[in-house]
Amino acid sequence: GAVVSQHPSRVICKSGTSVKIECRSLDFQATTMFWYRQFPKQSLMLMATSNEGSKATYEQGVEKDKFLINHASLTLSTLTVTSAHPEDSSFYICSAKPTPATRVGEQFFGPGTRLTVL
Amino acid sequence: EDKVVQSPLSLVVHEGDTVTLNCSYEVTNFRSLLWYKQEKKAPTFLFMLTSSGIEKKSGRLSSILDKKELSSILNITATQTGDSAIYLCAVEYGNKLVFGAGTILRVKS
Repeated sequence: GAVVSQHPSRVICKSGTSVKIECRSLDFQATTMFWYRQFPKQSLMLMATSNEGSKATYEQGVEKDKFLINHASLTLSTLTVTSAHPEDSSFYICSAKPTPATRVGEQFFGPGTRLTVL
Repeated sequence: EDKVVQSPLSLVVHEGDTVTLNCSYEVTNFRSLLWYKQEKKAPTFLFMLTSSGIEKKSGRLSSILDKKELSSILNITATQTGDSAIYLCAVEYGNKLVFGAGTILRVKS
């Protein structure tokens, strides 16, 4: 149980285009999902907290107009990188906190999406 | 500023060695400390520590939290090549996790 999937696993796009990444909780419901970014040899940096049915909460320094998050159902959150640039190239990982888990530490991670912007 | 610091940043050992990884933190409203193992993809959960001085153990891995020293250690005994990975420490505070930079462990056969 507690499987989180991400799609696509790898994407290469041209500069200026938009890319959508999906995060799904396969066997549980998740009111809250998290989006992280990881640069090579660096740690996971929380970008935003996605809440089903409401607006995402973005961390300081993360542009909400550039990284659009939609959490339309209890099993799906999407991250859209708009007008992508080479500096957006990174490993994007989502995680999902089962409902009704009370601890944010009880989150399960997806396999990640490798984004390369040419 | 809240932060989580791990040491060493990287480590190379031989099979059978014992390793100790360190994590120290400075966060407000601490709730728990977690250890993860990351190979090529997403982190996999190892331990969640909330109480000081109580060791958690899983096979050859064990971990303990020291709230007085604001730190935790992760021990791996009789290391195997399959233990090669990045080990991440994260601290839960409020409604999110803050991760350390990780320790890259390489176990040579």
